[in-house]
Amino acid sequence: AQSVTQLDSHVSVSEGTPVLLRCNYSSSYSPSLFWYVQHPNKGLQLLLKYTSAATLVKGINGFEAEFKKSETSFHLTKPSAHMSDAAEYFCVVSGPWTNAGKSTFGDGTTLTVKP
Amino acid sequence: GAVVSQHPSWVICKSGTSVKIECRSLDFQATTMFWYRQFPKQSLMLMATSNEGSKATYEQGVEKDKFLINHASLTLSTLTVTSAHPEDSSFYICSARVPSGYTFGSGTRLTVV
Repeated sequence: AQSVTQLDSHVSVSEGTPVLLRCNYSSSYSPSLFWYVQHPNKGLQLLLKYTSAATLVKGINGFEAEFKKSETSFHLTKPSAHMSDAAEYFCVVSGPWTNAGKSTFGDGTTLTVKP
Repeated sequence: GAVVSQHPSWVICKSGTSVKIECRSLDFQATTMFWYRQFPKQSLMLMATSNEGSKATYEQGVEKDKFLINHASLTLSTLTVTSAHPEDSSFYICSARVPSGYTFGSGTRLTVV
């Protein structure tokens, strides 16, 4: 069984300030974890993924996330927000690649960036 | 690489008609395709998992006779919403497993009037 909780439904930051989007997970296996971004009426774009390699994962557009097993967390960060970062962000957990590979999505966090 | 092309991007149909949504893997073979539904300002809910050449596996509460899934080839999976009603209006997204994770189609906005 697996689940994922995004701790904030909305996050608002000013342009140029740091971004922190929080995600906790639970999994019966060693999980694979992903962050996706979705702009309005668009599909999902992969920001970064963790699949049991380095615990600090760097993604696109300056985003990174750190896998902390002891805290069962996979928080997404960016040092300096840009207006174009305003979107919906989803934390996703999936089981081992050799299994069914079903993904469980968090409820999403809406990021607003103020000028 | 690893692109899934989803069509149409939006569709409006009358109640009682059927709508087919296609997802094609353009540069890889997708043995497994996932179909999701997303209501406004909500997360993605897995509807079903389709496997090439076999019957789809539906999640609990999803009517398999209403949401017909066909995965007849390694590059094409289709979702047909049969006898659509206004409550079926939603954003539908397909996804395929690739080595880097999952790649998603661009989504289909279905509006039933």
